[in-house]
Amino acid sequence: SQTIHQWPATLVQPVGSPLSLECTVEGTSNPNLYWYRQAAGRGLQLLFYSVGIGQISSEVPQNLSASRPQDRQFILSSKKLLLSDSGFYLCAWSAGNNQPQHFGDGTRLSIL
Amino acid sequence: AQSVTQLGSHVSVSEGALVLLRCNYSSSVPPYLFWYVQYPNQGLQLLLKYTSAATLVKGINGFEAEFKKSETSFHLTKPSAHMSDAAEYFCAVSYTGNQFYFGTGTSLTVIP
Repeated sequence: SQTIHQWPATLVQPVGSPLSLECTVEGTSNPNLYWYRQAAGRGLQLLFYSVGIGQISSEVPQNLSASRPQDRQFILSSKKLLLSDSGFYLCAWSAGNNQPQHFGDGTRLSIL
Repeated sequence: AQSVTQLGSHVSVSEGALVLLRCNYSSSVPPYLFWYVQYPNQGLQLLLKYTSAATLVKGINGFEAEFKKSETSFHLTKPSAHMSDAAEYFCAVSYTGNQFYFGTGTSLTVIP
């Protein structure tokens, strides 16, 4: 069966520090991969999605970036975090277009 | 624009009462529709999906949803609420691409 792993579960970072969140999927190949941010009490905001290695689409201009160095690995990064980057970050995968998305357990990021 | 609207950001029901969470979509093409549940500090879990087969879709945990094209709705129901149903619920829609559009969520409270 397919599984998705996301880490770390929680992270506290100072303003201006770098960020790297990692997401890996097991049990499937060539998945669509997604990064979302969920602000407190709000819905999901799509940040990036990828349909293949090295293919990244950005939905919202920001100081975050994403990379897909391997088929089942999706990384969310920042060179300098802002206070507004605080939130709950979720990684998801799907088998293709219009297929259900399956989510990781999320990373709670707090910026001090 | 393609979107999904969840009416009611907070719904409270008594234990054993009917649960009804509303979702309406706007689309010029046939949609794929999904309901997800999110427990505190966790990722989203797929409850059910509509993919143009039967209009009444049964999901996990006793939930079901009915696709009504004439009303552009996909409301989520459960005949009898349990305490364990207390969570955040998200409706999502997908069309011909690889993106999902999520509603802003409905927080369900179950009163003992």
